[in-house]
Amino acid sequence: GQQVMQIPQYQHVQEGEDFTTYCNSSTTLSNIQWYKQRPGGHPVFLIQLVKSGEVKKQKRLTFQFGEAKKNSSLHITATQTTDVGTYFCAGLRTYKYIFGTGTRLKVLA
Amino acid sequence: DGGITQSPKYLFRKEGQNVTLSCEQNLNHDAMYWYRQDPGQGLRLIYYSQIVNDFQKGDIAEGYSVSREKKESFPLTVTSAQKNPTAFYLCASSPPGGRGRYEQYFGPGTRLTVT
Repeated sequence: GQQVMQIPQYQHVQEGEDFTTYCNSSTTLSNIQWYKQRPGGHPVFLIQLVKSGEVKKQKRLTFQFGEAKKNSSLHITATQTTDVGTYFCAGLRTYKYIFGTGTRLKVLA
Repeated sequence: DGGITQSPKYLFRKEGQNVTLSCEQNLNHDAMYWYRQDPGQGLRLIYYSQIVNDFQKGDIAEGYSVSREKKESFPLTVTSAQKNPTAFYLCASSPPGGRGRYEQYFGPGTRLTVT
């Protein structure tokens, strides 16, 4: 079936270190979205990428959509304790979003 | 949060009982979604609705039912046929038009425990 995998599943970093999570789909996606879920909370939308090869930045966060529209990445520069949470990608196929398995980030102060 | 409310936050039920989870939004969104999240896992789509009086099965619809009689409301019933109902249930909505190409706004979720 349709799958969107994310790696790594967990990542522990020291505050100030960089962090990257990768999202890979078995099929081409119309677009890809990224969400952040704080512990005990609900997913909150971060960004949407639509075009092949698109790169977008939000302060310390950089998002990229692959040329084949099958993969994406989220990179955080100089992590802070407020970055703690689980990051999900969600790929759109027809009207349905296929969520990735998520990467849980812990930042050690 | 974001104009989407889910109630209750925690729900406990005995095995064999049907239970209905509430989801209400005042964002004037056409599309609404129900997801299930199990510990350490991603979100899996149960049902979605693009418009009033119409809904579609997601990837794990067995044992669940929904209705969409009003634009603002999309209740989910977890039936006794659902084999592993204990989970965190999230409702979401997205703006009109665009065929699902807009961001989803999530409610705070309902944590259901069935014993």
